[in-house]
Amino acid sequence: NAGVTQTPKFQVLKTGQSMTLQCAQDMNHEYMSWYRQDPGMGLRLIHYSVGAGITDQGEVPNGYNVSRSTTEDFPLRLLSAAPSQTSVYFCASTWEQGGEQYFGPGTRLTVT
Amino acid sequence: AQKITQTQPGMFVQEKEAVTLDCTYDTSDPSYGLFWYKQPSSGEMIFLIYQGSYDQQNATEGRYSLNFQKARKSANLVISASQLGDSAMYFCAMSATNFGNEKLTFGTGTRLTIIP
Repeated sequence: NAGVTQTPKFQVLKTGQSMTLQCAQDMNHEYMSWYRQDPGMGLRLIHYSVGAGITDQGEVPNGYNVSRSTTEDFPLRLLSAAPSQTSVYFCASTWEQGGEQYFGPGTRLTVT
Repeated sequence: AQKITQTQPGMFVQEKEAVTLDCTYDTSDPSYGLFWYKQPSSGEMIFLIYQGSYDQQNATEGRYSLNFQKARKSANLVISASQLGDSAMYFCAMSATNFGNEKLTFGTGTRLTIIP
């Protein structure tokens, strides 16, 4: 049982490039989410999904796309990277009615 | 909209002492959940404790307890007998429903340093 996995761990992009951050979980969780963490701030919700085929926006969705074709995977796409997207990105998942949200190890992204 | 406020940017505590990390929240939802997460210097988010808004008793998990005062909208984390390994960032968070926690709102965190 690997829990929540994220790849890559580190990534450097140039402004305007696109990329996909991968997130997978093997716990059969319905809910999956993406958060970003900027220095001196807590985590902020980007997008979330309540099940395969269903996604919705969080607090800071601009510049990001998501899709959920399977229960296990929830990739986050940066369409055209900007320096303001330099951050640490966390993927998380949970049961439909759970007391704990399981976080992945994070992806540190730098956009130059 | 939900809001979490953590007013202590940093705290220094002597080893083996108890420590209270403050958290106040604001929401118009009648049902919600409150969480505490620990983030050590390695960066991962570690779940510590959860309290539902309708739970009658304060949650406890080992050395962690959540002092939930609904009327005051506070959800302070109490760590008893602090250890050097407790040095980390601590985040308070809340969800929009009592059980489902797919959307969490986080505070800005408190950096706790345990002094030997």
